[in-house]
Amino acid sequence: GAGVSQSPSNKVTEKGKDVELRCDPISGHTALYWYRQRLGQGLEFLIYFQGNSAPDKSGLPSDRFSAERTGESVSTLTIQRTQQEDSAVYLCASSERQGGSYEQYFGPGTRLTVT
Amino acid sequence: AQSVTQLGSHVSVSEGALVLLRCNYSSSVPPYLFWYVQYPNQGLQLLLKYTSAATLVKGINGFEAEFKKSETSFHLTKPSAHMSDAAEYFCAVRGNTPLVFGKGTRLSVIA
Repeated sequence: GAGVSQSPSNKVTEKGKDVELRCDPISGHTALYWYRQRLGQGLEFLIYFQGNSAPDKSGLPSDRFSAERTGESVSTLTIQRTQQEDSAVYLCASSERQGGSYEQYFGPGTRLTVT
Repeated sequence: AQSVTQLGSHVSVSEGALVLLRCNYSSSVPPYLFWYVQYPNQGLQLLLKYTSAATLVKGINGFEAEFKKSETSFHLTKPSAHMSDAAEYFCAVRGNTPLVFGKGTRLSVIA
């Protein structure tokens, strides 16, 4: 079956512009996660969605970052007024449920470069 | 709260040698522990996970890890390294929060 997909795979944008990153989770997965991976760093949790519950936004680094998810389908991560420090790979993952031993399945990521 | 420490940002081994990647965790609740592998320009793939069923966990590609509560460790091992094992490896812990990842260990395999 299809895995987690993300688009675009690469995005180059000018400082100050807004960007939208898309994630298509595995069908039937109720939990969806966004992470940021800076060069040479581990994964930094940004936000997760679990079903129709309010998302956990505790990892969002600033109010320039926001994310939406419609039901249990596609999610969009939006970064407004991009800064050079936003340059990173943004990874999306989904799992059947949040918590416990449920495995997270990762997409290939979107590499964002802010010039 | 949970945290993960991976000792050594870069490990280099000879082909056929033992692979040992170290991971120590802290968790205020009984943890679930995971090892993921990331090949260049790809997403993360699960190698194995600890769910309290057994302390020695076997994963894909010949990797295994042992959960040691007394040492708060979950080190990843493979008896004989292969060139295709060269990748970035991440240890992660989940308690009562989403997964918390370590900073990763880059494994190089020398022919």
